[in-house]
Amino acid sequence: QVQLVQSGAEVKKPGASVKVSCRPSGYTFTSYYIHWVRQAPGQGLEWMGVINPGGGSTSHAQKFQDRVTMTRDTSTSTVYMELSSLRSEDTAVYYCARGPQYCTSTTCSTYYLDYWGQGTLVTVSP
Amino acid sequence: QSVLTQPPSVSGAPGQRVTISCTGSSSNIGAGFAIHWYQQLPRTAPKLLIYDYTNRPSGVPDRFSGSKSGTSASLAITGLQAEDEADYYCQSYDTSLSGSWVFGGGTKLTVL
Repeated sequence: QVQLVQSGAEVKKPGASVKVSCRPSGYTFTSYYIHWVRQAPGQGLEWMGVINPGGGSTSHAQKFQDRVTMTRDTSTSTVYMELSSLRSEDTAVYYCARGPQYCTSTTCSTYYLDYWGQGTLVTVSP
Repeated sequence: QSVLTQPPSVSGAPGQRVTISCTGSSSNIGAGFAIHWYQQLPRTAPKLLIYDYTNRPSGVPDRFSGSKSGTSASLAITGLQAEDEADYYCQSYDTSLSGSWVFGGGTKLTVL
C-alpha cells in the first residue's frame, strides 16, 4: 500500500534551518510528484512547493522562493524539504503529499494530492 | 485572503444533507483547472475526498459528491454522520503569481 513516512518533530531557533524528509513506499518513486504543504496551528493548508523525483525539477510558491529548497535522493527514494531563515511564523505541521502525474505529448504536470504523509511538527522558538 | 473562497463553517443534523461551496476565478476554475476536495479529521493529515470535481477515490463513500457551476464548485454530503465532523478544503491550480497550487481557506463542518 502507498505510504509516505516523514521524519520526526523538530525544535529550532529563529534564523536556523530545518530539513524534513519524506520517504514514500508502495509505488515507483520516480513516477509521481511530491508536494509540500504546511499548516500553522489552528490555520488552513498552505502549498509550499513541488518536486518531480524523476528529473529533480522543482516549483515553489513565490512566498517561499528564497527560503525553501526541495531535493530528492533516488538511491534511498527519499525527498527532502529544507526551510531556511526560520521565524516564529514558520511554526507549523509540514506535510508531504503525492501528486499523480499527467502528461501530454510535450509536458507533464500534477494537479491533486492523493496520499499524504503523517506530518512533521516544526516549532520555531527562542 | 485565499484565492479560492469557502464558507468558514457549515452545520447539519445527522441524516441531513449539507453543501460546501468553493468560489474561484478566471485564473483557476475559469482557466480550466479542476477543483479537488480534502477532508481533515481532527489531529490527522488531510485525505483526498473528490478529484476533478466529481470523482471519488476508492474507499470514499458515495455520500460524498462534487459538482461544478461556472467558476464555482460544491461538495455535498448526504446522510450526515457524526464521523463527518471535520475540516474540508478545496484545492486547484492558479495561473496568477507565476502559477501555483492553491487551497481554499477551509470549512469546518459541525454535526449537531
